[in-house]
Amino acid sequence: GESVGLHLPTLSVQEGDNSIINCAYSNSASDYFIWYKQESGKGPQFIIDIRSNMDKRQGQRVTVLLNKTVKHLSLQIAATQPGDSAVYFCAEKYSSASKIIFGSGTRLSIRP
Amino acid sequence: GAVVSQHPSWVICKSGTSVKIECRSLDFQATTMFWYRQFPKQSLMLMATSNEGSKATYEQGVEKDKFLINHASLTLSTLTVTSAHPEDSSFYICSARNEGLPEGNEQFFGPGTRLTVL
Repeated sequence: GESVGLHLPTLSVQEGDNSIINCAYSNSASDYFIWYKQESGKGPQFIIDIRSNMDKRQGQRVTVLLNKTVKHLSLQIAATQPGDSAVYFCAEKYSSASKIIFGSGTRLSIRP
Repeated sequence: GAVVSQHPSWVICKSGTSVKIECRSLDFQATTMFWYRQFPKQSLMLMATSNEGSKATYEQGVEKDKFLINHASLTLSTLTVTSAHPEDSSFYICSARNEGLPEGNEQFFGPGTRLTVL
């Protein structure tokens, strides 16, 4: 069935280093791919999105890369900070349906 | 507009009772809202799409008679868990779509409601 999944369930990064969180998806029909950050006991928070016709998009300290050939999505966080500790989800969206389907999540922990 | 609230933030109830959770868009109108459920250390699973003025659309495997959704106004959707059982204990999260924003970042999530059924 359709799914959006992640390669790594947990990631530990030294403070100040760059973090790379990966995601694999199986549905080629998605129009948007979105990264969310979820802190403990809270709802998801939008980080960045990318249209399916793009391969890279940059935001503040974050970059999303989309490789449609291998159906792979990644989130790069530059100069990781303690406040970046959270669970990160990739998600996909179809324009026609509007609904957002979430992947399995990666917990990012920061080592001091 | 980007603020979505949920009430209550947490609730504990006895098995067999019904619990209502509210989702409100505070600074925008939303004809479409979504309800998710999240078990510990798992991802968000979409339960249903709530449509203002019409019936909700449920995802496969979600019992519509158990999870009643009412979207009676442009700023409020409610999810009622009927005859709750311990296995219904979960974190329920709603999102609301602001149709006035460009596609991509037009959905905003509530803070979630922690339901514990004893």
